[in-house]
Amino acid sequence: AQSVSQHNHHVILSEAASLELGCNYSYGGTVNLFWYVQYPGQHLQLLLKYFSGDPLVKGIKGFEAEFIKSKFSFNLRKPSVQWSDTAEYFCAVNPYTGRRALTFGSGTRLQVQP
Amino acid sequence: DVKVTQSSRYLVKRTGEKVFLECVQDMDHENMFWYRQDPGLGLRLIYFSYDVKMKEKGDIPEGYSVSREKKERFSLILESASTNQTSMYLCASSNRATDTTDTQYFGPGTRLTVL
Repeated sequence: AQSVSQHNHHVILSEAASLELGCNYSYGGTVNLFWYVQYPGQHLQLLLKYFSGDPLVKGIKGFEAEFIKSKFSFNLRKPSVQWSDTAEYFCAVNPYTGRRALTFGSGTRLQVQP
Repeated sequence: DVKVTQSSRYLVKRTGEKVFLECVQDMDHENMFWYRQDPGLGLRLIYFSYDVKMKEKGDIPEGYSVSREKKERFSLILESASTNQTSMYLCASSNRATDTTDTQYFGPGTRLTVL
C-alpha cells in the first residue's frame, strides 16, 4: 500500500520568507499528486496537482510544486509567504491503477507571523 | 463549481447511539468518499463508493458502515458511537469519467463529539 510522508509538522515563518514543504511518497507505479490546503475554519481545497508533463506545476496564490520522480518527492514552494497563507497543508497521492482513493500525509501546519 | 454539503457542522452524541452523517454533492460525480481527520494523522479513508449501492472499505472501516441509495448522496453510519470516534469527518466526491486525475472535492466537514 502507498504511504505519504510530510516531514515538517509545524512551520513558523515571518512574512516575505520563502517556503518549502516536503512530501515523499512510497508507491512504485504511476501516480497523481496533490497538495490541498485548509485555511482556519474552511474546508479542504485543492492548491495544485500533478498528473503528467512538466514536473513543475503552478497552483493558486503563487504556490508551485516540483515532482522529482527519482526521489519520490513532490515538494511545495512559495517564494514569499503572506500572513493569509497561515493554514494546514496536506500532500496526497492516488495511483493510476488499483484503488483510486487518495492517501494523505499527516499535514503541515504553517503559521506566518506578520 | 462543485458543491459538497454535509448535514451538520457540529454534532454531539452519547456513547452507544447510532449516528448518521449525510453528504450530498450536486455535480453528478460517480465517486464519493468518507474520511476522518485527526491532528497529526492527516485524513484517513473510512469508506468509498464508485457507484450507487456500491461500497468499498477504506483503511479504517471498523465501527462504520455506509449507504449510497442515490448517486448524489453518501451516508456514513456509526452503528454504536464510541468516544474514540470523536473526530472531524470529511466527505468528498470526484468524477473519473471526466477527470482522469480523479481530483476530489471536499465538503466543510462535520465535527463529531461522542460523550
